[in-house]
Amino acid sequence: AQSVTQPDIHITVSEGASLELRCNYSYGATPYLFWYVQSPGQGLQLLLKYFSGDTLVQGIKGFEAEFKRSQSSFNLRKPSVHWSDAAEYFCAVVHNNAGNMLTFGGGTRLMVKP
Amino acid sequence: DAGVIQSPRHEVTEMGQEVTLRCKPISGHNSLFWYRQTMMRGLELLIYFNNNVPIDDSGMPEDRFSAKMPNASFSTLKIQPSEPRDSAVYFCASRSQGAVEAFFGQGTRLTVV
Repeated sequence: AQSVTQPDIHITVSEGASLELRCNYSYGATPYLFWYVQSPGQGLQLLLKYFSGDTLVQGIKGFEAEFKRSQSSFNLRKPSVHWSDAAEYFCAVVHNNAGNMLTFGGGTRLMVKP
Repeated sequence: DAGVIQSPRHEVTEMGQEVTLRCKPISGHNSLFWYRQTMMRGLELLIYFNNNVPIDDSGMPEDRFSAKMPNASFSTLKIQPSEPRDSAVYFCASRSQGAVEAFFGQGTRLTVV
C-alpha cells in the first residue's frame, strides 16, 4: 500500500542543536512532498515543498529538506533549533495516482530542552 | 486573505446530539478537504470536494457523517447522532486550481460527552 512513514514519534533536542526529522514514502513514482508544522492548538502550516528540480529545498523558519530518490526519503533539517520550534511535524505527499489527495505521515513531536 | 476559516473553534456536545462544523475556504480555491485528527489514527482524510462536488468520501467513517458544499465559499461537516468516539480535531483545507499544496484552517476541537 502507498504510505508515508515518520519513524520517530518523539524527538527531544537541546536548544541550539541540529535537528533531522525522517520521512519515507512508498510510492512507485516520485510524489509531491511536503512538510507541515502544527503548534499546540493550532492548524497546520506549510514549511516547505518539493515538486521537482533541486533536491534540497529551503523553507520558512530556517528549515530545509532533502529529497533522496534512492532512499525514498524527504528528511527535514534545521542547523540550530530554537525553543519556539517545539511542535508536531508532519510529512505529507500528493500523488497523481491518488487523486491528488494529500496523505500524511503519523507525525513527529519535537521537544526542545533549554 | 484571511485564510481558511473554521467555526466553531471548540464544540462540546452530548452524545446523541447533532453537530455541524463549518468551513469557509480561501477565496478562489476550488478544492476543499475535511480531515480528522486523533491521537490514535493521526490525520485522516474524510472527504474531498472539487468544484463543490464530492470526489472521494471513502474516508467518511459511517453514515452518521455527512458533508455538503452548497457553494464555492462554504462547506459543512455534520455528525448525527454524535458519539464520544467522534471526539477529535476536525480540519478543513483548501487548494487552488492546478495547485498541489493545501492550506489548513485552525481546526475545530470536538468533544462529545
